[in-house]
Amino acid sequence: EAGVVQSPRYKIIEKKQPVAFWCNPISGHNTLYWYLQNLGQGPELLIRYENEEAVDDSQLPKDRFSAERLKGVDSTLKIQPAELGDSAVYLCATSDNGDTGELFFGEGSRLTVL
Amino acid sequence: QKEVEQNSGPLSVPEGAIASLNCTYSDRGSQSFFWYRQYSGKSPELIMSIYSNGDKEDGRFTAQLNKASQYVSLLIRDSQPSDSATYLCAPRNGGFKTIFGAGTRLFVKA
Repeated sequence: EAGVVQSPRYKIIEKKQPVAFWCNPISGHNTLYWYLQNLGQGPELLIRYENEEAVDDSQLPKDRFSAERLKGVDSTLKIQPAELGDSAVYLCATSDNGDTGELFFGEGSRLTVL
Repeated sequence: QKEVEQNSGPLSVPEGAIASLNCTYSDRGSQSFFWYRQYSGKSPELIMSIYSNGDKEDGRFTAQLNKASQYVSLLIRDSQPSDSATYLCAPRNGGFKTIFGAGTRLFVKA
């Protein structure tokens, strides 16, 4: 069974440019999370989806970040415009329909803003 | 006070020894508790989950939970160099929100 797929793995952009990250969940996993991880820190939740509904986006900086999960499968996280402080690893994670809470992470997208 | 506190380490243990990783959390509504292992440059992977007070053993790993003390720990027996990684403590509250600690770096010396 394929795991969580993310792309791109690496992205280098100049500040003020836009960037987008894509995530394809494990088949059948209805809950999808976007996390941000800075070096030496644990992942920080940006947004959680249940199917296509964003049920927790309280930590998403909505002035520059946006996310969508059309049809409740793939998801895209966008930053526009990017700032130097956005340099981090953006992790997508999914969980199954059960209530275990276990998260399965993709390989992450490492963003460098110059 | 941080929501999840872990000693950042590094925790250095000799091969074959027991590594003990500790974590405290502030949200008394936390109901599920997870330990994730993260190798350098890789994404976190789940290694243990625990839902009730007491101990849970899985191979060389034992998770311990004390909700009254808001404390959860992970013991790694017979530590191997391949166990060298960052271990993330992650409680999940009743609102299905998982909060991660900053992690403890473990180094197992061969």
